[in-house]
Amino acid sequence: SYVLTQPPSVSVAPGQTATITCKETNIGSKSVHWYQQKPGQAPVLVVYDDSDRPSGIPERFSGSNSGNTATLTISRVEAGDEADYYCQLWDSSIDHVVFGGGTKLTVL
Amino acid sequence: QVQLVQSGAEVRKPGSSVKVSCKASGGTFGNYAISWVRQAPGQGLAWMGGIIPMFGTPNYAQKFQGRVTITRDEPTSTTYMDLSSLRSEDTAMYYCALSSGASFGSGSRTWGQGTLVTVSS
Repeated sequence: SYVLTQPPSVSVAPGQTATITCKETNIGSKSVHWYQQKPGQAPVLVVYDDSDRPSGIPERFSGSNSGNTATLTISRVEAGDEADYYCQLWDSSIDHVVFGGGTKLTVL
Repeated sequence: QVQLVQSGAEVRKPGSSVKVSCKASGGTFGNYAISWVRQAPGQGLAWMGGIIPMFGTPNYAQKFQGRVTITRDEPTSTTYMDLSSLRSEDTAMYYCALSSGASFGSGSRTWGQGTLVTVSS
């Protein structure tokens, strides 16, 4: 079982806002990263250090992290955003990288 | 811009081992942390372990401790992941990933293309 809890699926209509959560006790004290993975492809970093975007990632992707929940928000969702999304952090208490279980985003 | 190029698909029998390579193309690993991540068919991402060049000592996830060995060859900017005592559950895509900093706490901006390892008798 995964330490970081994500909803298995999120559905959203094109043009709407998708919100994907990643929950763990006191996750707000850690840096969270988010990856997008499309079928048959390697993951792509879309948000790092809670809320920063790598170059080339649209501003529609944003992140936040506070308390027990980190959130990836995708505004003005497009069909091309349909993918699996994973949160990830470094757990210093066990010296391990930890991934969430992943969320499948479906664009209706 | 560094790219990571992994070795090709492998088929192994249960009980054997496999060694997957990951070479930096167009640059070096520098002092950035290198991780190995696996993904079983239809499943999520699982960190296996990694290595930080400046420290040299690998760090392994508890689940794979004792079966996985991660090494690096500085002159060729290549890292290797060796997994032993293979079982059918090890059938998966294996990725190497390069962090954007000298710690595993940084996000990984660069990923290899993946290497499919199939374990079957």
